[in-house]
Amino acid sequence: AQKVTQAQTEISVVEKEDVTLDCVYETRDTTYYLFWYKQPPSGELVFLIRRNSFDEQNEISGRYSWNFQKSTSSFNFTITASQVVDSAVYFCALNPGSSNTGKLIFGQGTTLQVKP
Amino acid sequence: NAGVTQTPKFQVLKTGQSMTLQCAQDMNHEYMSWYRQDPGMGLRLIHYSVGAGITDQGEVPNGYNVSRSTTEDFPLRLLSAAPSQTSVYFCASSYRASGGYEQYFGPGTRLTVT
Repeated sequence: AQKVTQAQTEISVVEKEDVTLDCVYETRDTTYYLFWYKQPPSGELVFLIRRNSFDEQNEISGRYSWNFQKSTSSFNFTITASQVVDSAVYFCALNPGSSNTGKLIFGQGTTLQVKP
Repeated sequence: NAGVTQTPKFQVLKTGQSMTLQCAQDMNHEYMSWYRQDPGMGLRLIHYSVGAGITDQGEVPNGYNVSRSTTEDFPLRLLSAAPSQTSVYFCASSYRASGGYEQYFGPGTRLTVT
């Protein structure tokens, strides 16, 4: 089965707190790609990061960082020093296989609320 | 470069009516997809296309029809609308980027079926 699970439905933090959004995936493919998207209250989907299955290096982009661990099939996303503008729904997604067919398998999403 | 465009932004239908959601991209992407977003369920793939003239079903294809006569356009047809099709619909296009595949999403169409 190919599946993405985001067990945290909603998270609420106070501004400047660090927060980690969990993502666990299932696939039998040895080559695959993982993504994170942000959906702000305005509704559009904003691409954040893409990671392939052969690259387990953690990545940092400003206040955002991602921890990819194949051993636990997890691709977690951390926001450091959260801000009100980070309030959004965050989706983790899986592109199984080495071929692009325009198919993504999404998790259920985590709603993050950052309070001032 | 407009990216991925969707029309209309909002639509209200009555049960049994048919309509077409339009999607167009100007990036010459080979791959295009339709997703629906429902509360608590993330986005689910309806249909996808790997090129003009080629389409296939996704996870939730029932009640929807697609065709891809050009690279640019990928319309989604609701044959006989049902309340269960009330949702937000996203169209996406993609190409093979170095290290993976980046999908570009349109702004979405919010559909209500009464």
